[in-house]
Amino acid sequence: DVVMTQSPLSLPVTLGQPASISCRSSQSLAHRDGNTYLSWFQQRPGQSPRRLIYKISNRDSGVPDRFSGSGSGTDFTLKISRVEADDVGVYYCMQGTHWPRTFGQGTKVEIK
Amino acid sequence: EVQLLESGGGFVQPGGSLRLSCAASGFTFINCAMTWVRQAPGKGLECVSSISGGGSDTYYADSVKGRFTISRDNSKNTLYLQMNSLRAEDTAVYYCARNSNLDYWGQGTLVTVSS
Repeated sequence: DVVMTQSPLSLPVTLGQPASISCRSSQSLAHRDGNTYLSWFQQRPGQSPRRLIYKISNRDSGVPDRFSGSGSGTDFTLKISRVEADDVGVYYCMQGTHWPRTFGQGTKVEIK
Repeated sequence: EVQLLESGGGFVQPGGSLRLSCAASGFTFINCAMTWVRQAPGKGLECVSSISGGGSDTYYADSVKGRFTISRDNSKNTLYLQMNSLRAEDTAVYYCARNSNLDYWGQGTLVTVSS
């Protein structure tokens, strides 16, 4: 199985400051169809996960442009340009290139 | 608006069975693969099973293979997960999600396996 490793696992941030989460995969996520299926999910406390980003850098509908994704191959990053109180929660990366789909361990974002 | 509504969770003893359902609306159900994802209390996310739109192709995590069966009724826009021989480690919130890349999620249903 493809192992997804996130860092950090805990991320205290100051409101209005940027935040960055790294996600590394144990093998390339480049699919033979030319796409790279790396997604990011946000899970607010007590809620279901919600997809934010798909195929590395595409924001889902309704996702603020404060959120951006980047990377290639095995190295990916989620950035929040200016953290708001609403961003508190756990963030997961997931690879959708290989079976089984696998998630990172999650990064807990909290306000300092 | 895409909506996914899970039901069927509950309390069951080890070795018991449960069937989860996920009622879908707001999109053309037969055109979409569907996935069950679970989350043990305080833990991360695990893809349990997926099924193609027509139902002919299925995938199971090793942890549930031979015990769980995914199916769908496209005439009822409903996804199912039959769970047999349940173990304590199957205790989790079970979510259904659209597509194998999980673009929409339901609210989840809690399954507790305990004696």
